[in-house]
Amino acid sequence: KNEVEQSPQNLTAQEGEFITINCSYSVGISALHWLQQHPGGGIVSLFMLSSGKKKHGRLIATINIQEKHSSLHITASHPRDSAVYICAVRNTDKLIFGTGTRLQVFP
Amino acid sequence: NAGVTQTPKFQVLKTGQSMTLQCAQDMNHNSMYWYRQDPGMGLRLIYYSASEGTTDKGEVPNGYNVSRLNKREFSLRLESAAPSQTSVYFCASSATGGYGYTFGSGTRLTVV
Repeated sequence: KNEVEQSPQNLTAQEGEFITINCSYSVGISALHWLQQHPGGGIVSLFMLSSGKKKHGRLIATINIQEKHSSLHITASHPRDSAVYICAVRNTDKLIFGTGTRLQVFP
Repeated sequence: NAGVTQTPKFQVLKTGQSMTLQCAQDMNHNSMYWYRQDPGMGLRLIYYSASEGTTDKGEVPNGYNVSRLNKREFSLRLESAAPSQTSVYFCASSATGGYGYTFGSGTRLTVV
């Protein structure tokens, strides 16, 4: 079993829909990262959080340390949000990555 | 622009050839990392350097060597490339504690 599990693996949505991507982990962590990878490969860090909730524009990330679970929400989704979203947890010095959720938003 | 610069972006090697992937960051980060990304798998850590002068093995170090040349630069060397090393390689850096995690744009390596 992977130490970081994401669901769903693939997600399609219509423009304007509310999107939720989930991440569960089985190891102790000091922080959790959400990353975005667009076609063509570049990886961008969206959030780093260790408790509670963070918001940036239309993106919201939450974490529940007791349940070892995090969610990434996208409000009013747009085709430019189409990308792979990756959850990664910080365990000692290193990040452990999920396999990503591929999101496609259609106009 | 501040960030992580990786070269080259693309490379094709023959089995047995060697090459070095270069990575440099200008954010004064202490920690630097090399990852590989394969289809259907999460990014996997090859080597990392928590500070200048130190390097440590990650999850998949076999077939690779690294050099932390100075605080800015962290190179990855394949001494004798194998088809199993066909992958996309990412360099990343962060401040101590994982703050400001920043990735390079990636190197797509094919070994034939």
